[in-house]
Amino acid sequence: NAGVMQNPRHLVRRRGQEARLRCSPMKGHSHVYWYRQLPEEGLKFMVYLQKENIIDESGMPKERFSAEFPKEGPSILRIQQVVRGDSAAYFCASSPITDTQYFGPGTRLTVL
Amino acid sequence: DQQVKQNSPSLSVQEGRISILNCDYTNSMFDYFLWYKKYPAEGPTFLISISSIKDKNEDGRFTVFLNKSAKHLSLHIVPSQPGDSAVYFCAASESIQGAQKLVFGQGTRLTINP
Repeated sequence: NAGVMQNPRHLVRRRGQEARLRCSPMKGHSHVYWYRQLPEEGLKFMVYLQKENIIDESGMPKERFSAEFPKEGPSILRIQQVVRGDSAAYFCASSPITDTQYFGPGTRLTVL
Repeated sequence: DQQVKQNSPSLSVQEGRISILNCDYTNSMFDYFLWYKKYPAEGPTFLISISSIKDKNEDGRFTVFLNKSAKHLSLHIVPSQPGDSAVYFCAASESIQGAQKLVFGQGTRLTINP
């Protein structure tokens, strides 16, 4: 059973470009969570999704950030018009119903 | 507002001895607590968890203790091994409608010395 997959592992964007981060949950997991980790800090919750539904987006910045988990395919975290402050490690986690979250390896976004 | 705090940024322990990592929380609605271990350039790896109905959970070399009145939990690793050197994160959640949004501490970097 493969673990949580994230790609790309590293992403470099210039200011103003769009970043798309993808996450494939573990097989059998229907819940996906996105977290962001800034340097020397803990992980901060961004959004919680189930298939085709956003359940909790209380940690998402109100502008430029969006997330989806379509019926088919991976979950996508999209950042429009990236700024230097968006540089961080973005981690996806998945879980079965209300159980332990298992994390992917993360995508390290660098904004030049 | 830091709801989960790990006040020790780093900890150094000799191989074979006990490592004790501490975590404090402020939200009395938290009812599920987890410890994750993280190596550089990797995602957090789940170690052990505890529900608020318990005060202790043990899994091999790892034991988590929960003191609800003090809003404090700790992770004990015994005996400590070189491979335990990593950053350890404490996390807590408040189970509302099945959601399990995790709130993380800042992490403690554990170094095991040979």
